[in-house]
Amino acid sequence: GDSVTQMEGPVTLSEEAFLTINCTYTATGYPSLFWYVQYPGEGLQLLLKATKADDKGSNKGFEATYRKETTSFHLEKGSVQVSDSAVYFCALGSGGYNKLIFGAGTRLAVHP
Amino acid sequence: DTGVSQDPRHKITKRGQNVTFRCDPISEHNRLYWYRQTLGQGPEFLTYFQNEAQLEKSRLLSDRFSAERPKGSFSTLEIQRTEQGDSAMYLCASSYNRGGGVAVNTGELFFGEGSRLTVL
Repeated sequence: GDSVTQMEGPVTLSEEAFLTINCTYTATGYPSLFWYVQYPGEGLQLLLKATKADDKGSNKGFEATYRKETTSFHLEKGSVQVSDSAVYFCALGSGGYNKLIFGAGTRLAVHP
Repeated sequence: DTGVSQDPRHKITKRGQNVTFRCDPISEHNRLYWYRQTLGQGPEFLTYFQNEAQLEKSRLLSDRFSAERPKGSFSTLEIQRTEQGDSAMYLCASSYNRGGGVAVNTGELFFGEGSRLTVL
């Protein structure tokens, strides 16, 4: 079945460092791909998405490109801030958006 | 606040007891989802509704679990004869689906803050 694999955390960075969180997927067809973020004490919220190959999703300085050839959707940010500390989940839309399948999540801690 | 709300936020119960969680979705959303999240894991799909119809149930949803959305608005998730393995965060999410597949839908789910269940 469809699945998502993320790099294990926690990822610990200093402020202004470059961030990459790896995500790969297995799916039939051509799913849409998402990154969700969960800040401490809050619910999951959509960070960005891409609906077809070579699309780039972006939001709040984060970017991810849908790479069909490597079945990947890695999350990047050029300069992280303390306020980016959160858990990041990669997800794919399965069955025509009937449901989302999530990865295990990667915790990011950014220190001043 | 017009987001997804869940109640209670935290429930502690003894093994064998029944518990019920309620979810109030965003008012215009026709889809409602239940997920379960255990520590260090991502959300796992349990079931979803389109209006009042329950369209899919995961194999994770054993016979002890039942979900309803009687009027296509709020939903309840009941767990009967709770077991320690049921301890988890139960997440509710909603979305608006226009039909027409991926071409016209964003796929974005709006999540509540979850209901944490602890079974002693």
